[in-house]
Amino acid sequence: AQSVTQLGSHVSVSEGALVLLRCNYSSSVPPYLFWYVQYPNQGLQLLLKYTSAATLVKGINGFEAEFKKSETSFHLTKPSAHMSDAAEYFCAVRMNTGFQKLVFGTGTRLLVSP
Amino acid sequence: DSGVTQTPKHLITATGQRVTLRCSPRSGDLSVYWYQQSLDQGLQFLIQYYNGEERAKGNILERFSAQQFPDLHSELNLSSLELGDSALYFCASSGGADSTDTQYFGPGTRLTVL
Repeated sequence: AQSVTQLGSHVSVSEGALVLLRCNYSSSVPPYLFWYVQYPNQGLQLLLKYTSAATLVKGINGFEAEFKKSETSFHLTKPSAHMSDAAEYFCAVRMNTGFQKLVFGTGTRLLVSP
Repeated sequence: DSGVTQTPKHLITATGQRVTLRCSPRSGDLSVYWYQQSLDQGLQFLIQYYNGEERAKGNILERFSAQQFPDLHSELNLSSLELGDSALYFCASSGGADSTDTQYFGPGTRLTVL
């Protein structure tokens, strides 16, 4: 069975600082991996996805993530945090065959202080 | 705006009642997915439909059912409601059956069971 672990339910950074949100996955087959962002009272918006092409994936709003098979990780980074980045971030995994349900991590709330 | 619409936005009802949540996928999308987001369970996959047919089932209770209509909109029916059913219910859609397809999420329906 696939699963995703997000380390840290809350991450606090200062505006302009590096953002690093951690995600480790468990999958018996090569997975597809996703990062979604959820702003208050809104649905989930896709930030980026890895589908076995380039291991370094660039997404929207300056975010990127690197797929590291040896570490079973897919950490999300952004060089410089902005106040508008404050939201909840979800890592998700999906099998690359069969039906396409997303298995989500528990989420990490990013807090950005001035 | 993802292009996925959900109605109603909020729903307040009593235990034992039955409700119907509605989802309209993005234009041209054939797959519809339902997810439940609650504080204790996180984001959980419930069920997927593809072009009118049930494709996959997740952690969906027997009291819950769904269908996808010929015009591709979907409804999630929740019956004999319990306090624990209070949650945010998301619908997502994707173009086809390809597992690389991005799932686009609607804004959700917040269900409160009193």
